[in-house]
Amino acid sequence: EVQLLESGGGLAQPGGSLRVSCAASGFTFGSNVMSWVRQAPGKGLECVSSITSRSGGIFYADSVQGRFIISRDNSKKTVYLQMNSLRAEDTAVYYCAKDTTFESWGQGTLVIVSS
Amino acid sequence: IQLTQSPSSLSASVGDSVTITCRASQSISRWVTWFQQRPGKAPKSLIYAASSLESGVPSRFSGSGSGTDFTLTISSLQPEDFATYYCQQYNSYPLTFGGGTKVEI
Repeated sequence: EVQLLESGGGLAQPGGSLRVSCAASGFTFGSNVMSWVRQAPGKGLECVSSITSRSGGIFYADSVQGRFIISRDNSKKTVYLQMNSLRAEDTAVYYCAKDTTFESWGQGTLVIVSS
Repeated sequence: IQLTQSPSSLSASVGDSVTITCRASQSISRWVTWFQQRPGKAPKSLIYAASSLESGVPSRFSGSGSGTDFTLTISSLQPEDFATYYCQQYNSYPLTFGGGTKVEI
């Protein structure tokens, strides 16, 4: 069974940093694209970043380009999202999702950016 | 690639058939997935490649389309189908979603 477990969310100050992680199990992690998708309170879904299986392709939404960094460690079956220069509008539940079709999702981790 | 869903919300009754549309700003072949999201839950994949049903998804859900225009149809709405639905394209990066359609009683 595919499992994705996010962690690392919490409260951060505007301009601050936070790193969220997603630990995967139940599939061949090193063969799949992984993405981070966020959902602000009461809003829709936004894919903020994707990373290909061996990190050869990395993609960002315009809204986070230059501030967020996605990475992965295939030996640890974990994908990360380093979030810098955080803004109030980055407040959201952050989900990790498997493959380009987002066929499996974690339960999400809440990030709140507030002073 | 921008995805425009319509309507943004709709009201329906149990047993009704509803159709949600998703229009892409450029051709995306058949690289579309449809998701259902209930409040407080992660999205659940219903349909991939425009019309292929995910394992375990009831057959009252169906998808169609290619190029720029896609539809999700729910025939005979059930109480558990009242939720928000999203389309998503995986033709090219960055992967993007439509704005969502809330199906209400």
